[in-house]
Amino acid sequence: GAVVSQHPSRVICKSGTSVKIECRSLDFQATTMFWYRQFPKQSLMLMATSNEGSKATYEQGVEKDKFLINHASLTLSTLTVTSAHPEDSSFYICSATGGGWYEQYFGPGTRLTVT
Amino acid sequence: AQSVTQPDIHITVSEGASLELRCNYSYGATPYLFWYVQSPGQGLQLLLKYFSGDTLVQGIKGFEAEFKRSQSSFNLRKPSVHWSDAAEYFCAVGAFLMGGGNKLTFGTGTQLKVEL
Repeated sequence: GAVVSQHPSRVICKSGTSVKIECRSLDFQATTMFWYRQFPKQSLMLMATSNEGSKATYEQGVEKDKFLINHASLTLSTLTVTSAHPEDSSFYICSATGGGWYEQYFGPGTRLTVT
Repeated sequence: AQSVTQPDIHITVSEGASLELRCNYSYGATPYLFWYVQSPGQGLQLLLKYFSGDTLVQGIKGFEAEFKRSQSSFNLRKPSVHWSDAAEYFCAVGAFLMGGGNKLTFGTGTQLKVEL
């Protein structure tokens, strides 16, 4: 099956700094990638959808200047949390899909802790 | 707007017993429906999906789900639960995107505990 990786799996950063999370499709070309946020014991909330080579589409209430998404190639998307604050601490999960596919394939997630 | 309701937050079953996890959806057209499983600290694994055709779909790990349009339901079942099935289960409905994939809306999840 299609494999999606995320790096890092865990990151701790200080308040006010920025952190970048990478999402890679390892064995397919990901025309669309999705970024989700999951709070403890809660469901996944879609943050944004990105298509390769174009600007991401953010969901209502998600600050695009705070959560910068870049989908520069067909195998890599990055999420940068800028000027992170403790309330940004969460589990971030990406998913990816190929052109015309119905399914999304999920990465293993990144645990972000802001101190 | 699409939505998903999973009425049961927690379910506990004995190993070997049957399981049914409930899922109700709201969507204006023919839905794309999914069940995912998440182990602690992990990403999501697709158990099964429904797009069209046979309303009883088979998935991995012995799971199946039945799409009932009249009830707007897509309940997940397994005839005999194993201790390794303990996890969080998410039902999702998808709106197909032209670029590929679905814009997924997830339910709140059902935490399954298996007693030995």
